[in-house]
Amino acid sequence: GNSVTQMEGPVTLSEEAFLTINCTYTATGYPSLFWYVQYPGEGLQLLLKATKADDKGSNKGFEATYRKETTSFHLEKGSVQVSDSAVYFCALKSPTSGTYKYIFGTGTRLKVLA
Amino acid sequence: EAGVTQFPSHSVIEKGQTVTLRCDPISGHDNLYWYRRVMGKEIKFLLHFVKESKQDESGMPNNRFLAERTGGTYSTLKVQPAELEDSGVYFCASSQGTDNTEAFFGQGTRLTVV
Repeated sequence: GNSVTQMEGPVTLSEEAFLTINCTYTATGYPSLFWYVQYPGEGLQLLLKATKADDKGSNKGFEATYRKETTSFHLEKGSVQVSDSAVYFCALKSPTSGTYKYIFGTGTRLKVLA
Repeated sequence: EAGVTQFPSHSVIEKGQTVTLRCDPISGHDNLYWYRRVMGKEIKFLLHFVKESKQDESGMPNNRFLAERTGGTYSTLKVQPAELEDSGVYFCASSQGTDNTEAFFGQGTRLTVV
């Protein structure tokens, strides 16, 4: 079945450090890929998405590229801030599992220290 | 515009008791979803409503869980009787369409069964 695997956290970085959170997926067909973020005390928010191979999603300095050859959608940011501390979830939607339904990874907690 | 709101934000109940979670979707969103995250694991789909009809309840764990959406507006998720393994964060989401339409999530209800 369809699934998402993301790196375990927590990830602790100093402010202005480079961030990579790895995400790989297993899916039949052509899924759409997403990164959601949950800040403390808030709900899940869509951070970025990509709907086809080689697409790059970007928002708030974060980027992720849909790599079909490696079935990956790694999240990157060149210089993190304390305000980026949150839990990040990689997710997919696939026609074979229902395009209304997200398949999420386990989440990666990021802590950025001043 | 108000987002997806969930009540309560936290609930602590004893094993065997009943708990009802409520979700108010964004006004005009016909699609409503329930998801659950058990501690440290992935966020898993529970079910999907279109207006008042259940379209997919394949993720409901067992018959102790009952979801309703009377009148196609707010939704409730009742757990009766609650078991220890039901502890987790229950998220509600809503969207206008399905496919690659973004779903907006609430902040979740943290349920602890002791």
